[in-house]
Amino acid sequence: AQKITQTQPGMFVQEKEAVTLDCTYDTSDPSYGLFWYKQPSSGEMIFLIYQGSYDQQNATEGRYSLNFQKARKSANLVISASQLGDSAMYFCAMRVTGNQFYFGTGTSLTVIP
Amino acid sequence: GAVVSQHPSRVICKSGTSVKIECRSLDFQATTMFWYRQFPKKSLMLMATSNEGSKATYEQGVEKDKFLINHASLTLSTLTVTSAHPEDSSFYICSASSGFPYEQYFGPGTRLTVT
Repeated sequence: AQKITQTQPGMFVQEKEAVTLDCTYDTSDPSYGLFWYKQPSSGEMIFLIYQGSYDQQNATEGRYSLNFQKARKSANLVISASQLGDSAMYFCAMRVTGNQFYFGTGTSLTVIP
Repeated sequence: GAVVSQHPSRVICKSGTSVKIECRSLDFQATTMFWYRQFPKKSLMLMATSNEGSKATYEQGVEKDKFLINHASLTLSTLTVTSAHPEDSSFYICSASSGFPYEQYFGPGTRLTVT
């Protein structure tokens, strides 16, 4: 069965601090992709970062990095130097064979000034 | 990055009428488009997946006769909510993907309110 889990419904972080948003997944597909999206209050889903299951190195995109631990089936998002504009919902997603996507339930991040 | 537009952004309609929502990939050809529904403070619920030129694949529990999806070209997909009812009120989001790694680029969403 394909499943993706985000166990943190809400997180708070002080401005300029780093924060880790958890994501675990379950799939029997040998090839899969892991994605993180940001959804601000405007509603638009913004693609942040991608990690392929065969990628040896953790993905990084600016202040975003993905802590990929394949044996633990986790793909945590790390946001460094948090900014007020980072306050949003964050969704972890998994793509498996057949281009099927599964989304987690999301984590609401609030950055405190 | 890839841009996906969605129109209209907000629509209010009366119960029993039909509403069409357009999703366009502006700067790339989307081999696959997805339609999602999102309730307040909830995750995205996939409604259907459509490939250009073929019939959409609907998720279990989604009425294909109520939510008509047309993927006429590599840059346009439409969702028509037929005979809308108040319970159809929701936030509808489309996304489009192209080649590997098939990340989805999302439209800004359409907030539908049925009175």
